[in-house]
Amino acid sequence: AQSVTQLDSQVPVFEEAPVELRCNYSSSVSVYLFWYVQYPNQGLQLLLKYLSGSTLVKGINGFEAEFNKSQTSFHLRKPSVHISDTAEYFCAVSGSLSGGYNKLIFGAGTRLAVHP
Amino acid sequence: EAQVTQNPRYLITVTGKKLTVTCSQNMNHEYMSWYRQDPGLGLRQIYYSMNVEVTDKGDVPEGYKVSRKEKRNFPLILESPSPNQTSLYFCASSLFGQTTYEQYFGPGTRLTVT
Repeated sequence: AQSVTQLDSQVPVFEEAPVELRCNYSSSVSVYLFWYVQYPNQGLQLLLKYLSGSTLVKGINGFEAEFNKSQTSFHLRKPSVHISDTAEYFCAVSGSLSGGYNKLIFGAGTRLAVHP
Repeated sequence: EAQVTQNPRYLITVTGKKLTVTCSQNMNHEYMSWYRQDPGLGLRQIYYSMNVEVTDKGDVPEGYKVSRKEKRNFPLILESPSPNQTSLYFCASSLFGQTTYEQYFGPGTRLTVT
């Protein structure tokens, strides 16, 4: 079965600094990868997704992620964060080994705290 | 506006008192599912439905029921809630097929069972 590991439960960072949120998954077989963001007291919003093609994926709000098949990683990056990026971020995977293309397997989440 | 709605948004109840959380989508999506979110565990799928009258268990189905009588609605039923079902619940919907489609999430329902 597919699994997702988010390596950091909390990431504190100062405003305008770069940030990387790390995500590893267990298998590269027929896998699709996602990053979702959850702002306080809100639902989940899709930041970006990797389905196929270029391994560098650009998303909303200046975020990007790189699919690395050999390292089974899909780390999320932003070159300069803002206070408004403070939120919880979830990495997720779907595919044939996760129970179907529509079922998402989520990591435990990473809480990004941006300080002034 | 394309959206998934859930009601209620907040609910406090007592052990054993049956409750239903409603979910509705206006995007004509075939696939709908329920997740629960717990600290340190992320989101886990409870039940899903591939179309009307087709439902199946997810990873944590114990203590929950669902039904799909109409394409737009997918209620989550807790017939005898227990404190370990205190959680944040999300409904999601998407198209369905032999590839992956974007999941649209509702705003969440925070349930407390005392």
